[in-house]
Amino acid sequence: TQLLEQSPQFLSIQEGENLTVYCNSSSVFSSLQWYRQEPGEGPVLLVTVVTGGEVKKLKRLTFQFGDARKDSSLHITAAQPGDTGLYLCAGLPDKNTNAGKSTFGDGTTLTVKP
Amino acid sequence: EAGVTQFPSHSVIEKGQTVTLRCDPISGHDNLYWYRRVMGKEIKFLLHFVKESKQDESGMPNNRFLAERTGGTYSTLKVQPAELEDSGVYFCASSLGAVLGETQYFGPGTRLLVL
Repeated sequence: TQLLEQSPQFLSIQEGENLTVYCNSSSVFSSLQWYRQEPGEGPVLLVTVVTGGEVKKLKRLTFQFGDARKDSSLHITAAQPGDTGLYLCAGLPDKNTNAGKSTFGDGTTLTVKP
Repeated sequence: EAGVTQFPSHSVIEKGQTVTLRCDPISGHDNLYWYRRVMGKEIKFLLHFVKESKQDESGMPNNRFLAERTGGTYSTLKVQPAELEDSGVYFCASSLGAVLGETQYFGPGTRLLVL
């Protein structure tokens, strides 16, 4: 059973367009992280959100944690070819759980065409 | 400063053979994690070392997998004997601490193919 579901699974857009990637679950998470992974590399942490309703911005990327802490979204404004990659969300179900034992979603593969 | 490194980058072996994967964490990081992503599935936690001790090995799939971190520096993950379903990408990550929100730094992974 997939605890964290990401959508869409694949997304191909033109440079300059906006996009939103979703990470949904029926479970509550004490924190949620977003990673970006490029081919041949490991995931790189983009952001951690811990408070329900929290919004964090990282340049053209906006991350939101749902009020109920069951879902999150990643919005990219004016996408660029350099944004191409695999975007992963990872959640920590219980604040008492080993912080490294996150549950990962299966990722959204984003391609931004010039 | 060097990041997390993993060796080999790729390994192709036959079913029944043994493979040993190595991970060198960032210097000074006491916490070391192993994860794997098998084909079509999400990344899953395998185990967590704090220095040389196994803090949590609840994700290890079976007793064909053995992880060690002698001396609390680099770690090895041995699969013996390898089965077809062990194919996938094995990631190592390290962090200074293990608290909520702590940043984990991932290595590039070892791509294992069992034929």
